[in-house]
Amino acid sequence: ETGVTQTPRHLVMGMTNKKSLKCEQHLGHNAMYWYKQSAKKPLELMFVYSLEERVENNSVPSRFSPECPNSSHLFLHLHTLQPEDSALYLCASSRGGEQFFGPGTRLTVL
Amino acid sequence: SQKIEQNSEALNIQEGKTATLTCNYTNYSPAYLQWYRQDPGRGPVFLLLIRENEKEKRKERLKVTFDTTLKQSLFHITASQPADSATYLCALAHGSSNTGKLIFGQGTTLQVKP
Repeated sequence: ETGVTQTPRHLVMGMTNKKSLKCEQHLGHNAMYWYKQSAKKPLELMFVYSLEERVENNSVPSRFSPECPNSSHLFLHLHTLQPEDSALYLCASSRGGEQFFGPGTRLTVL
Repeated sequence: SQKIEQNSEALNIQEGKTATLTCNYTNYSPAYLQWYRQDPGRGPVFLLLIRENEKEKRKERLKVTFDTTLKQSLFHITASQPADSATYLCALAHGSSNTGKLIFGQGTTLQVKP
């Protein structure tokens, strides 16, 4: 266990659904991240929260909306997704330097 | 444009041999470079970090080198074991930001045969 948990582990949703992914860390880290991992492609950084500052990847569609209510929790709100958004969504946290990853949420959009 | 390249083909070696994985990058000046291990269906696990002013770093059977002139890092696993079979990811620090942003390579899959 890395100290970073993600729920749910698997999610199947239709294109008109709204769902949220949750990430939690109790490592005392001050930065949290969302990544997307598609088959045969590198991890793509989606969002970063650091010291309450959000750094957003400009290529992330608005149908993905992050929320970081405190330093231990991170959410990714999903709405009107497309089939090509199906992937493994990974959360990570760090204090600078190495990142600690959660197990990921396997998302399938029908 | 910025680019990170790892051997896309799987690396197959015999147990007991040394595995060497390569990470090349262009148009970066990373403050540090990291290596992660990822098993199927799981998140990456941090292995080693090497800074731009370090040439080599070791941890048990693992060794990482960092050549900022060649823009290359080599990752070695000595006395490899079947349990070392996994995908290994190279990641570069993106700028000097305190946000710790990393850019990942696509990974190299290592298969160690008994």
